[in-house]
Amino acid sequence: EAQVTQNPRYLITVTGKKLTVTCSQNMNHEYMSWYRQDPGLGLRQIYYSMNVEVTDKGDVPEGYKVSRKEKRNFPLILESPSPNQTSLYFCASRTALNYGYTFGSGTRLTVV
Amino acid sequence: AQSVTQPDIHITVSEGASLELRCNYSYGATPYLFWYVQSPGQGLQLLLKYFSGDTLVQGIKGFEAEFKRSQSSFNLRKPSVHWSDAAEYFCAVGAILTGGGNKLTFGTGTQLKVEL
Repeated sequence: EAQVTQNPRYLITVTGKKLTVTCSQNMNHEYMSWYRQDPGLGLRQIYYSMNVEVTDKGDVPEGYKVSRKEKRNFPLILESPSPNQTSLYFCASRTALNYGYTFGSGTRLTVV
Repeated sequence: AQSVTQPDIHITVSEGASLELRCNYSYGATPYLFWYVQSPGQGLQLLLKYFSGDTLVQGIKGFEAEFKRSQSSFNLRKPSVHWSDAAEYFCAVGAILTGGGNKLTFGTGTQLKVEL
């Protein structure tokens, strides 16, 4: 089944403890992106990647890192999480020609 | 920079009634437009998209949307709503960035409640 898989689905962590949210797609998509969803703000782009080793900042990149060492994987790294990063995170991917993203099921992160 | 406005935060309709969700966008060039639906606890599912051509676009689950350039709108419609349509709906505009990247900008969403 063609899909974007995120792990974990739920995560509670403490301020300052480094964490990684994994994202993997099995559709051979070139483009991948991370969004965060907050009530009343919709979805905002954190980082995106056009291909392996090509990444760029979205609208709200502060406090996040990404890497794209393989085409299928696009992990989101929070080096020192803070409570304002408590949110619902989505990974998405698409082909170079199709502008409609396929989304993962989301990761609900709580930082205490 | 592009932006999307969904003026209705909540909408309640009766099952079987017609539905229209409003979306207005701001973008300097011809936009790529999308509607996504998010059921509780789920990710976003693409309902339909507009790139070019026919301004009336058909999507999944009986939804359609009409692109009106003069009004900068891309409203979502369904002639008869089912209880299972209760969800949050997001309109989005896609833009091509300098350097070849792309960006999908979302509206803040409309929560649809369906009364039986």
